Amino acid sequence: DGGITQSPKYLFRKEGQNVTLSCEQNLNHDAMYWYRQDPGQGLRLIYYSQIVNDFQKGDIAEGYSVSREKKESFPLTVTSAQKNPTAFYLCATSAGEQFFGPGTRLTVL
Amino acid sequence: SQQGEEDPQALSIQEGENATMNCSYKTSINNLQWYRQNSGRGLVHLILIRSNEREKHSGRLRVTLDTSKKSSSLLITASRAADTASYFCATLVRGGTSYGKLTFGQGTILTVHP
Repeated sequence: DGGITQSPKYLFRKEGQNVTLSCEQNLNHDAMYWYRQDPGQGLRLIYYSQIVNDFQKGDIAEGYSVSREKKESFPLTVTSAQKNPTAFYLCATSAGEQFFGPGTRLTVL
Repeated sequence: SQQGEEDPQALSIQEGENATMNCSYKTSINNLQWYRQNSGRGLVHLILIRSNEREKHSGRLRVTLDTSKKSSSLLITASRAADTASYFCATLVRGGTSYGKLTFGQGTILTVHP
C-alpha cells in the first residue's frame, strides 16, 4: 500500500447524498485509476487519468465523477445518481505495473 | 463480459503443496499481470509477463503465457499458510494511450491449510 493513501477506510452515506473519496500518492506517477470491487468479484474500472487536468471514463463511469487538478490527488465523487454505490473502492497509480491503495469501503444506508 | 476469466474460482490445499491458477482472455494483449489481495485490502502486484515472453519466475512463483491459446497460469510452489489470499490476473491492452487499461478477472480464492 506504500505511497498511496485513501481516506476514509470506512464510509457510511445516506441515500441521496453525494460523497467524495480521497486518493493521494507520493510516487510521482502520472497515471491514476479508480476501481470498484463487489463481493467475490474482480475489479471494474470507473475512471482513469493519464495526466493532470485530463481523465477518461472507464467501464462503469455512470454515477461517478472525478477531478485531477494536482498530480498527487485524484478524488472520486459518488453521486446520488449511482444506483448501487455500496462497494469497496480502490485507487491505483501506474508506471507499468499498478500500485494500489488500501481501499475505502462505502456503505449506503 | 470480463477480459480475464480465472479457473478455479476457489482452491484449497495443504501447506507444502503446489497451487496452480489459470487465466484465459479474449483479445490481444500487451502484457498480463498477476496480483494478490488479502481480505479487505488493496491489491499487491506479483509478476508481469509481456506478450513476447512465455515463462517468468519470481521466487516461488512461476507464470506461463500462451498467446496462441490466450491463456496464462500462475504456479505457487511449496505453498504456505501465508499464501492464503485472492489472486487476480489482469490484462493490459494499449490503444492510443501510453499506459493503457488493465482488465481484471474475477479471481481465484486460495486457501492453504497448515
